[in-house]
Amino acid sequence: RKEVEQDPGPFNVPEGATVAFNCTYSNSASQSFFWYRQDCRKEPKLLMSVYSSGNEDGRFTAQLNRASQYISLLIRDSKLSDSATYLCVVNAGKSTFGDGTTLTVKP
Amino acid sequence: ETGVTQTPRHLVMGMTNKKSLKCEQHLGHNAMYWYKQSAKKPLELMFVYNFKEQTENNSVPSRFSPECPNSSHLFLHLHTLQPEDSALYLCASSQEETGNTDTQYFGPGTRLTVL
Repeated sequence: RKEVEQDPGPFNVPEGATVAFNCTYSNSASQSFFWYRQDCRKEPKLLMSVYSSGNEDGRFTAQLNRASQYISLLIRDSKLSDSATYLCVVNAGKSTFGDGTTLTVKP
Repeated sequence: ETGVTQTPRHLVMGMTNKKSLKCEQHLGHNAMYWYKQSAKKPLELMFVYNFKEQTENNSVPSRFSPECPNSSHLFLHLHTLQPEDSALYLCASSQEETGNTDTQYFGPGTRLTVL
């Protein structure tokens, strides 16, 4: 079993839709969690950290569920520019990247 | 923008050539990483350096040879590569490898094509 697992998608949604991604992790000692975004042929960039209490940044909301060992990313009111691959990162002493979930937002 | 630069941005080389990729970070970090990303594939961690010491080699073929002369610079020396080595090579840095809240920052990558 992989340390960090994501549904690869692709998720194809219309503009304005709400979409959610989950990411599960196997190491219960994991301490910090992040979502990165990677555009086609570009480098991954930090989107947001994920805190135990959940956190929101504009249209993006990240949640952590330690009991079930998953993190989630919710995107509301999807824009065309949200089309990208979203990478989940889990840190249990060192960072492990998920394989990514691809989102395509269509007009 | 991210404080991590990579050169060259694009490289085309023959299988008998020797070339080097360079990465420099201006963030005062102590850990640096090399990743390989083939077309439409996930990131593959290759090497990790923490305080200039190599701490991870993910079963990478010896035709890839990393070098970390100081905490700000990381090189990847390439020789006798194969066409399947064509990929985007990404460098990243973080405060230190084993930081529990560590965040990695990536350079723009070198797009390598092996003919």
